[in-house]
Amino acid sequence: DQQVKQNSPSLSVQEGRISILNCDYTNSMFDYFLWYKKYPAEGPTFLISISSIKDKNEDGRFTVFLNKSAKHLSLHIVPSQPGDSAVYFCAASANLNAGGTSYGKLTFGQGTILTVHP
Amino acid sequence: KAGVTQTPRYLIKTRGQQVTLSCSPISGHRSVSWYQQTPGQGLQFLFEYFSETQRNKGNFPGRFSGRQFSNSRSEMNVSTLELGDSALYLCATSEQGTGELFFGEGSRLTVL
Repeated sequence: DQQVKQNSPSLSVQEGRISILNCDYTNSMFDYFLWYKKYPAEGPTFLISISSIKDKNEDGRFTVFLNKSAKHLSLHIVPSQPGDSAVYFCAASANLNAGGTSYGKLTFGQGTILTVHP
Repeated sequence: KAGVTQTPRYLIKTRGQQVTLSCSPISGHRSVSWYQQTPGQGLQFLFEYFSETQRNKGNFPGRFSGRQFSNSRSEMNVSTLELGDSALYLCATSEQGTGELFFGEGSRLTVL
């Protein structure tokens, strides 16, 4: 049972345009969501996060939107750059409401390969 | 600040052998988690250690074990290796085990 799903295995965009990566989740206990970027032969690198008490969080070119009623979040990258080409993972945890039982545990989606063309 | 350091980066073992992987966390990080990444299953949580105690565990067989030392460094061990254990093993650390995790570059294990 995949609790975090990224239904698009890949996404291709032109440099300068917007990249939108989507993620759906099923576990209503999740209250903290993160996006990670991963290059080949490297570990995932944290990008941005959002708590379930917010619906938007922005950091430079990266914005994450959370729609709790739809159990959906998305990552917007504007403008996209060729250096953004990587695998993007959505992840979720149940920290605040789970009595501390989710220490160190993130549930990851399968990832979306983003390719930004010059 | 130095990042998360994992050793060895690459290793090849044969079925039935055992392997030990090491992780040195970022200074001040007391929580160490381990993940297995495979093409078919993605990133899967193995276990988490904090102050030398296992606080959380994923759904892996008992062949997978770990420990943490007083300096927060952690090791994980896989005994009686199977072909399906071939994967990238990632270590992730944080101060308390909540919020953002910081990942190492991983140890690539190939079982022949």
